[in-house]
Parts: sequence; C-alpha cells; structure tokens
Amino acid sequence: NAGVTQTPKFQVLKTGQSMTLQCAQDMNHNSMYWYRQDPGMGLRLIYYSASEGTTDKGEVPNGYNVSRLNKREFSLRLESAAPSQTSVYFCASLVRKNTEAFFGQGTRLTVV
Amino acid sequence: AQSVSQHNHHVILSEAASLELGCNYSYGGTVNLFWYVQYPGQHLQLLLKYFSGDPLVKGIKGFEAEFIKSKFSFNLRKPSVQWSDTAEYFCAVNENRDDKIIFGKGTRLHILP
Repeated sequence: NAGVTQTPKFQVLKTGQSMTLQCAQDMNHNSMYWYRQDPGMGLRLIYYSASEGTTDKGEVPNGYNVSRLNKREFSLRLESAAPSQTSVYFCASLVRKNTEAFFGQGTRLTVV
Repeated sequence: AQSVSQHNHHVILSEAASLELGCNYSYGGTVNLFWYVQYPGQHLQLLLKYFSGDPLVKGIKGFEAEFIKSKFSFNLRKPSVQWSDTAEYFCAVNENRDDKIIFGKGTRLHILP
C-alpha cells in the first residue's frame, strides 16, 4: 500500500530551469494539496485540488502551476525556477475535508 | 483570510514534564482542527483532530487537545512527555466552507533525556 508517492525525492535546478514535481495517491482520495516547507515558516499551501478537474490557489501560488491529471495524480510545475523556490515540497491527499491528510515523503528542491 | 498562530516556536522540556502547545485560529465560522507531528527526517502524521462533538479530543501517544470556541483555540497537551516526543508539531485549520487546509508555523519540541 504505497499511499502518497512523490517524485523525485531530490532535485537541483539552475535559476530559470523548469521542472515538474509529480504526486500520485492510491487511496482513491478526492482532494490533493501541494505545500512548501521552509524553516520557521511551517507549511504553506501552494495550490490544492478539491476534486478531479478543479484546482485553486493557496497562500503562495506565484511562480507555480498545477495539473490535476486524474483522480490519482496532481503535479506541480515550476516554469522558471528561482532561488526563492528552494524548499521542501510536500504533496498531501485526503478523502474529504474533516479527515486525516496523508503526506508524501517530500521533494527537496535546491535552486542555484 | 484564515490564519493559524502557534505561540511557541521552540520548546525545551525534560522528560516527564507536562506539555501544552498553543494554537489559535482567525476564522469564526465552523472549522475542522488538526494537530500533526513531524519526526526528524519524516513526513507529517496526524496526532488528533476535531470536527464536532466533545471539544476534548484524544489522539495517539497520549496527546489530547481542547477546542475552546470562544477563544478560537485548540491547544495540544500531554501530561508527561518522553524523549521520543522530540519533533515538530503543527496545528492546522480547515474552514468548513472550503477545502483549504492552513498550517501554523510549527513548534519545535526538544525533550531532554
């Protein structure tokens, strides 16, 4: 039972490069989320998808785009990476709003 | 916009001490409340949650939290901490009217053996 799987686990990018972070869940959850975690800042919501076919901005959406490809997959794209986007990125999913969110293991991204 | 405040950024306790971590939120409507824990090098795991009913909720590993609606608070407590409780603790809030889940900045707890 894999739960929430994120790829890659580590990535180093040069400023201006693009990349897509992948997230997939196998729990038939409806809602999926992308957060970034920075020291002293907690987790900040980037984008979320309440259900297949919908996406909404969170607290810090600038510089990111998302795609809810199907019910299982929710990807996060950085079109032109900046050093300020150096962070640990977590994907999460849950079946409905008052239930437990399950998190992936995280992607550690460094932009140089 | 909803927000979550965790008052203690870094707490150091000795084993067997009692713990209380503060959490306040800004939204006055119906909310779902959560405490998550992140052990070093790991992802977040749910400790406990509240969405209705008894405002005193019990979670895993001896943790509990009390929802006080009038104070917009959801403080986490444990009567006697252990060295293995060393971790970062996050309070999170979801307003019932939408699907955003907003986290506080976290409290880093260090337990001295």
